[in-house]
Amino acid sequence: GNSVTQMEGPVTLSEEAFLTINCTYTATGYPSLFWYVQYPGEGLQLLLKATKADDKGSNKGFEATYRKETTSFHLEKGSVQVSDSAVYFCALLTGGGADGLTFGKGTHLIIQP
Amino acid sequence: EAGVAQSPRYKIIEKRQSVAFWCNPISGHATLYWYQQILGQGPKLLIQFQNNGVVDDSQLPKDRFSAERLKGVDSTLKIQPAKLEDSAVYLCASSLGRGVPYEQYFGPGTRLTVT
Repeated sequence: GNSVTQMEGPVTLSEEAFLTINCTYTATGYPSLFWYVQYPGEGLQLLLKATKADDKGSNKGFEATYRKETTSFHLEKGSVQVSDSAVYFCALLTGGGADGLTFGKGTHLIIQP
Repeated sequence: EAGVAQSPRYKIIEKRQSVAFWCNPISGHATLYWYQQILGQGPKLLIQFQNNGVVDDSQLPKDRFSAERLKGVDSTLKIQPAKLEDSAVYLCASSLGRGVPYEQYFGPGTRLTVT
């Protein structure tokens, strides 16, 4: 079956540090990949997505590249801010009639001033 | 544009009791999803509707969970009887259509505690 593995948290960084959150996946076919973010007290929001190999998704300074050869979709940001503190979820969608997202367990990111 | 609405936001019940959650999707969204998020885990799909028909309910524990989407708009998810392991946040999401081009928008969730 489909699965997503992402690095355990919490991840604690200082403001302006470089961020990487690792995500790898197992899926049948050719999935689309997503990063969702959940800010404190808010619902899940789509952060970025990539629908085919070598695509790069980007939003709000975050980037992730769909690497089919390593089955990975790592999230990166060059300089994090306190406002980036949230829980980040990597997810995939295989389609073919099944439209439910398969999520990883989430990574809690804490940015200290 | 109003987002996905869910109620109640919090619910505490004893095991073997029943409970119902309500979801109102974004206006015009044909596809509606219910996810279960247990503490420390990512959301897991329980059921997906397209208008008022079920697309996927393969992970719904049908002996105790039921869901309906009458008239293809609002939806209700019911648990009867509840077990301790049902303690979780129940998320409703909606999208304009099915598949990758259509973003899933999530509601704030209902946090259920079963004691």
